[in-house]
Amino acid sequence: QVQLQESGPGLVKPSETLSLTCTVSGGSISSTFDYWSWIRQPAGKGLEWIGRIHNDGSSTYNPSLARRLTMSVDRSRNQISLNLSSVTAADTAVYYCARDSYYDSWSGYYGLDVWGQGTTVTVSS
Amino acid sequence: QSVLTQPPSVSAAPGQKVTISCSGSRSNIGINFVSWYQHLPGTAPKVLIYENDKRPSGLPDRFSGSKSGTSATLVITGLQAGDEGDYYCGVWDNSLSVQFVFGGGTKLTVL
Repeated sequence: QVQLQESGPGLVKPSETLSLTCTVSGGSISSTFDYWSWIRQPAGKGLEWIGRIHNDGSSTYNPSLARRLTMSVDRSRNQISLNLSSVTAADTAVYYCARDSYYDSWSGYYGLDVWGQGTTVTVSS
Repeated sequence: QSVLTQPPSVSAAPGQKVTISCSGSRSNIGINFVSWYQHLPGTAPKVLIYENDKRPSGLPDRFSGSKSGTSATLVITGLQAGDEGDYYCGVWDNSLSVQFVFGGGTKLTVL
């Protein structure tokens, strides 16, 4: 059973870069039909999709964040990383990673079917 | 402001039924699969419905989904206290920039 665990600093200073890692266990990050997504939720607000990446390095980002966003994959460690630069208080949120899964040679779509527990990031000086 | 519109809140008594709507457009719900997510307090979100109307293995059939045109609906029957939380629809949007979008979320209160 695939499990995801987010990790990273809980406090980041304004204008600095937020860096998070998602470790995948119980399965391989290199599965052909899986993407790996990041989603965040500011306190009292709804879910916001940040972006996703495939193990081949191809990625899609939320246009509102793309200018500051970089995602990467480390297949040797079974990890996905997120870097968000020039952060402000508006980036304070719980950050989740999730598996974005397809089947039947991409014709079927399970959606975001496995989620990590989330990690809280506060942007403050 | 999400491109998907959900009611901010719904409520019903235990054992009753609730319906949560998700309104989109031709560039998202009109052409792509809708999924629904349950987010209970203190837990990670969980997929309830994928491909508009399919339930993951092991999910009770109290939860059902449907899609018509540019709208989707989640129905929960036999409400239980443990169902209280937030519910989100999600879909890929193929407008100017391709991205996944969530609805604004609906808070379900079990009276």
